Amino acid sequence: SQTIHQWPATLVQPVGSPLSLECTVEGTSNPNLYWYRQAAGRGLQLLFYSVGIGQISSEVPQNLSASRPQDRQFILSSKKLLLSDSGFYLCAWKGTGAYQPQHFGDGTRLSIL
Amino acid sequence: RKEVEQDPGPFNVPEGATVAFNCTYSNSASQSFFWYRQDCRKEPKLLMSVYSSGNEDGRFTAQLNRASQYISLLIRDSKLSDSATYLCVVPDFSGGYNKLIFGAGTRLAVHP
Repeated sequence: SQTIHQWPATLVQPVGSPLSLECTVEGTSNPNLYWYRQAAGRGLQLLFYSVGIGQISSEVPQNLSASRPQDRQFILSSKKLLLSDSGFYLCAWKGTGAYQPQHFGDGTRLSIL
Repeated sequence: RKEVEQDPGPFNVPEGATVAFNCTYSNSASQSFFWYRQDCRKEPKLLMSVYSSGNEDGRFTAQLNRASQYISLLIRDSKLSDSATYLCVVPDFSGGYNKLIFGAGTRLAVHP
């Protein structure tokens, strides 16, 4: 069966520091991969998605970037965090079929001080 | 009109009650729909997929009305553990079926 791993679960970072969040998927090949952010009490905001190695689509202009160095690895990064980057970051995967749902990792709760 | 609209609630119901949520969508070409459940401070989890007129899984029934472009989720015999936010989800065709549009969610609180 497929599993998705996301870490760390919680992160506290100072403003201006770099960020690297990693997500890996097991049990499937060539998945679509996604990064979402959810602010407290708000809905999901899609940040990036990828349909293959090295292919990244950015949904919202910001100081974050994403990379997919391997088929089942998706990384979210920032060079300098802002206070507004605080939130709940969720990685998700989906099979390549048209009408399939997405499946989420446990999420990373990021607090910027 | 928003692509996916849900009543934010909260719906406060006693245990054992039947509760229904509606969700409207704007793209009449949508073929598949999903309901997710999100507990407080947790990730969304797939509850049901809806590919035709509806789907039933135990106490949960999802129905699709294509003519009126709405999807409903019915929960029978509510349990305390059903307390959560329920997200209505529709494929985003602009993303070549690679993206989903998540509603803002309907909050359900089941009390003793």
